[in-house]
Amino acid sequence: QQPVQSPQAVILREGEDAVINCSSSKALYSVHWYRQKHGEAPVFLMILLKGGEQKGHDKISASFNEKKQQSSLYLTASQLSYSGTYFCGTEPPGTYKYIFGTGTRLKVLA
Amino acid sequence: DGGITQSPKYLFRKEGQNVTLSCEQNLNHDAMYWYRQDPGQGLRLIYYSQIVNDFQKGDIAEGYSVSREKKESFPLTVTSAQKNPTAFYLCASTTGVGNSPLHFGNGTRLTVT
Repeated sequence: QQPVQSPQAVILREGEDAVINCSSSKALYSVHWYRQKHGEAPVFLMILLKGGEQKGHDKISASFNEKKQQSSLYLTASQLSYSGTYFCGTEPPGTYKYIFGTGTRLKVLA
Repeated sequence: DGGITQSPKYLFRKEGQNVTLSCEQNLNHDAMYWYRQDPGQGLRLIYYSQIVNDFQKGDIAEGYSVSREKKESFPLTVTSAQKNPTAFYLCASTTGVGNSPLHFGNGTRLTVT
């Protein structure tokens, strides 16, 4: 049931790009992306809605493929501040049961 | 400013004791959640509640109990039946409307020895 994220971990140099995927065995109607710094609570980054609409407020983009039941997060020209663990989150329709993906640890090196 | 308050930040208990973690929100959110996070791991759902006086078990509810007597409050009790209670516990809330994301408290780190 838990969405599976890939890769599990990635190491980048500053300025490099990365893609994080979130795949579900069930239909996705909306996906949220969060970033968690070590020892802190997750912080909301972006929402992806059915139909492709996305809402966010950072220099990070995302896509939503309903057919593949997958969402992808794109980090371009990565900065040191991008380091952390990224989670996708979703709520199966009509359940209120909000669950998170397996997580992707990202480290950006200078 | 509105937000979610979890207290205390660090909590230490002896094995066999029940302990209650506090979660209070002043965001006027209807839905509230408790997650457990082990070192280097993801967020696992313990309990969730959509409205006052109603809550549902998540994926790892065994050894935990909750109450939702007020909209603002959703305390979590870790009972002695929980085999490995040492973890980072996160409380979250959302309006429950319009695909709204979760807002999190700062978490409580529980250590049981």
